[in-house]
Amino acid sequence: GDSVTQMEGPVTLSEEAFLTINCTYTATGYPSLFWYVQYPGEGLQLLLKATKADDKGSNKGFEATYRKETTSFHLEKGSVQVSDSAVYFCALSYLNSGNTPLVFGKGTRLSVIA
Amino acid sequence: GAVVSQHPSWVICKSGTSVKIECRSLDFQATTMFWYRQFPKQSLMLMATSNEGSKATYEQGVEKDKFLINHASLTLSTLTVTSAHPEDSSFYICSAKGRESDYEQFFGPGTRLTVL
Repeated sequence: GDSVTQMEGPVTLSEEAFLTINCTYTATGYPSLFWYVQYPGEGLQLLLKATKADDKGSNKGFEATYRKETTSFHLEKGSVQVSDSAVYFCALSYLNSGNTPLVFGKGTRLSVIA
Repeated sequence: GAVVSQHPSWVICKSGTSVKIECRSLDFQATTMFWYRQFPKQSLMLMATSNEGSKATYEQGVEKDKFLINHASLTLSTLTVTSAHPEDSSFYICSAKGRESDYEQFFGPGTRLTVL
């Protein structure tokens, strides 16, 4: 079945450091790829998405590119802030498919220190 | 984007009681809703998938008699934790999708259940 693997955390960075969180996937079809963020005590929020190969999703300074050749969707941000401290989940799904749920990675906890 | 609400946001109950959690899609018709459970510092575990007007499909290892799911309308699904015990304490998150949301999955804010 489909699966998502993301780097183990926790990741601790100083403010303004460069962030990369690796994510790779295994899929039988051509999924859409997502990054979700979960702040402490809250539900999941969609951070960005890409629906086809070579698409780049971006939001709030974060970006990720759908790389079919390497089956990857790494999350990057050039300069992190303390407010970016959260858990980040990489996920895949098939849009236009009613019953198919998101398949999540295990999540990567990011802590940014001032 | 589409909005999904959950109620209550948190609940504390005594062992042996039942708790109902509501999940609503506020601005789109959700043909499919999903219920997840999240333990501290872990990923989301899919519990069940429900389609409007039909029985929910439960994931392996999830007790259907323990976690009753009802998807009575295109905007409402409920999860009832029956005879709750302390080990049922967790963060429960619902999500919904439908044609109007281009089948993208939108998440509720979650419900924290604590069973004493």
